[in-house]
Amino acid sequence: EDQVTQSPEALRLQEGESSSLNCSYTVSGLRGLFWYRQDPGKGPEFLFTLYSAGEEKEKERLKATLTKKESFLHITAPKPEDSATYLCAVQAPGNTGKLIFGQGTTLQVKP
Amino acid sequence: DVKVTQSSRYLVKRTGEKVFLECVQDMDHENMFWYRQDPGLGLRLIYFSYDVKMKEKGDIPEGYSVSREKKERFSLILESASTNQTSMYLCASSLWGTASYEQYFGPGTRLTVT
Repeated sequence: EDQVTQSPEALRLQEGESSSLNCSYTVSGLRGLFWYRQDPGKGPEFLFTLYSAGEEKEKERLKATLTKKESFLHITAPKPEDSATYLCAVQAPGNTGKLIFGQGTTLQVKP
Repeated sequence: DVKVTQSSRYLVKRTGEKVFLECVQDMDHENMFWYRQDPGLGLRLIYFSYDVKMKEKGDIPEGYSVSREKKERFSLILESASTNQTSMYLCASSLWGTASYEQYFGPGTRLTVT
């Protein structure tokens, strides 16, 4: 079964304390893995697309990496404004454009 | 920048009412999607459309219908609202036929059915 599992469910960090969020996936023939940020009460905001193992993308304090089985979102020296839920998704097999989402990791960064 | 807009941020309706949620995108995307998001259940796909007048059921279509008369507009209809349809509704759009299908989301509509 195609699925996406994110861990941990929740993460509390002190400001400046770097960490990583995990997204493991099982899908036949990965065509794209996506990271989103979602603030409370708002729609998800697209962050990155990764296509193949070994690929990395960066944006400010965030860096996403991809292996054949999982992706990591590394957060370096986080600030309180990085607090949000981070969602991971993979492109579903076939050509429908559907995505399979994980449950998300809720990150809280304390000052 | 891709822009997806939804007709209302907050909506309160009574049980049994017919409810229309509108979504408009300005990037000429072929694909459009409706999700609902509930605590502990994540994002669940209700319906999607890959072209005008074309629609396909998602994972939880019961109690909902959709309409896509123009490429930029995708409507979600609750024929007879029920309390278990109280939720956050999210619309998204994406290109089709490209290398990947990143979806761009609207701000969401928080619907409360009383």
